Amino acid sequence: NAGVTQTPKFQVLKTGQSMTLQCAQDMNHNSMYWYRQDPGMGLRLIYYSASEGTTDKGEVPNGYNVSRLNKREFSLRLESAAPSQTSVYFCASSETQSTDTQYFGPGTRLTVL
Amino acid sequence: QKEVEQNSGPLSVPEGAIASLNCTYSDRGSQSFFWYRQYSGKSPELIMFIYSNGDKEDGRFTAQLNKASQYVSLLIRDSQPSDSATYLCAGSRYKLSFGAGTTVTVRA
Repeated sequence: NAGVTQTPKFQVLKTGQSMTLQCAQDMNHNSMYWYRQDPGMGLRLIYYSASEGTTDKGEVPNGYNVSRLNKREFSLRLESAAPSQTSVYFCASSETQSTDTQYFGPGTRLTVL
Repeated sequence: QKEVEQNSGPLSVPEGAIASLNCTYSDRGSQSFFWYRQYSGKSPELIMFIYSNGDKEDGRFTAQLNKASQYVSLLIRDSQPSDSATYLCAGSRYKLSFGAGTTVTVRA
């Protein structure tokens, strides 16, 4: 089992460009999450999907959209990238939303120039 | 105020010593707590979780939870250079809230 996979691993964008970060899990988990990690800030939740067909905003949703494509896949879209979105993005999944352990993907390092 | 606060570190300990990491949380409704380890350039990986007051031991790691005082701690006994990493504390009621992390360096 691959666990949680993310593509791409690295990306450089110019201000105003758009892109979609892909995430997939093969653990049959119901809940999936997108975080960003900035130096000294820890992990901050962008959006989450408690179950297939639902999505909700997290702590820092502005400038992002998400799609829960099916139970396995959860994508994060930046419609018009800004330098403030330069960060490392992690996708995670858990069996259910509430108190279960979350398992993280390898991350995407995004730079917006 | 962040929901989860960690002692900022960095923490430097000699090999073989005990590393002590502390974390406080503001949401009294938080039910479960997690410690993740993150090596530089890698993703967080779970070390331990704890739900009940008291101590929970797993090998060289001991997690302690005190709900009345709203703190969680992690002790790393017999610290090894391979324990050098950033440790993230997280609390959960409906969603995980992470602390900013404490960087630990174990000196050989």
